[in-house]
Amino acid sequence: DIQMTQSPSSLSASVGDRVTITCRASQSISNYLNWYQQKPGKAPKLLIYAASSLQSGVPSRFSGSGSGTDFTLTISSLQPEDFATYYCQQSYNTPPWMFGQGTKVEIK
Amino acid sequence: QLQLQESGPGLVKPSETLSLTCTVSGGSISSTSYYWGWIRQPPGKGLEWIGSIYYSGTTNYNPSLTSRVTIYLDTSKNQLSLKLSSVTAADTAVYYCARHAEMAKGYYYYYGMDVWGQGTTVTVSS
Repeated sequence: DIQMTQSPSSLSASVGDRVTITCRASQSISNYLNWYQQKPGKAPKLLIYAASSLQSGVPSRFSGSGSGTDFTLTISSLQPEDFATYYCQQSYNTPPWMFGQGTKVEIK
Repeated sequence: QLQLQESGPGLVKPSETLSLTCTVSGGSISSTSYYWGWIRQPPGKGLEWIGSIYYSGTTNYNPSLTSRVTIYLDTSKNQLSLKLSSVTAADTAVYYCARHAEMAKGYYYYYGMDVWGQGTTVTVSS
């Protein structure tokens, strides 16, 4: 089964900062990679699918890149509402479709 | 607008079977090309994919849970169900159901969990 590893597990940043989160797959998954945002007490929200395609309604300050085994989620200018935990998930072939362990973005 | 709502007992005794239902409104659970799945989140921890079922009934489970989990569709009630047997305290979590939609990019299709229920908390304790 394909395992997903995110880094860092947490980070502190200020409003306006550029933030980058990394996700690595244990084997090549082409671009079958999703990113989710989860705020405390809420269900996750799909941000990006196919490694770089923005889900409808998601602000353009979010972007994704990568292919194969290495992927990144970038927030170009961190906003107050972006403080949350972010998860990557692979959707390669058929399930199982595992999640990364999450990256918590906190206020500096 | 599609909505998902989880329901079931909030407290389950150790060694018993956890049973949850996800009621789908605003759309059909039989719609072609969708997967439906369950995801859980232990207190203070990350998301764990439990398993998914294709609209045709084909199931896939997390290898760490496959001996204890069953997921099925009840098309007459437009519901998705989860059964997890022989539960322990480690199964205490918020349980979410989610639709996996097929999204096009170029010539290819990609699955993403685009609609989620609000989640239901299940505690395993005697």
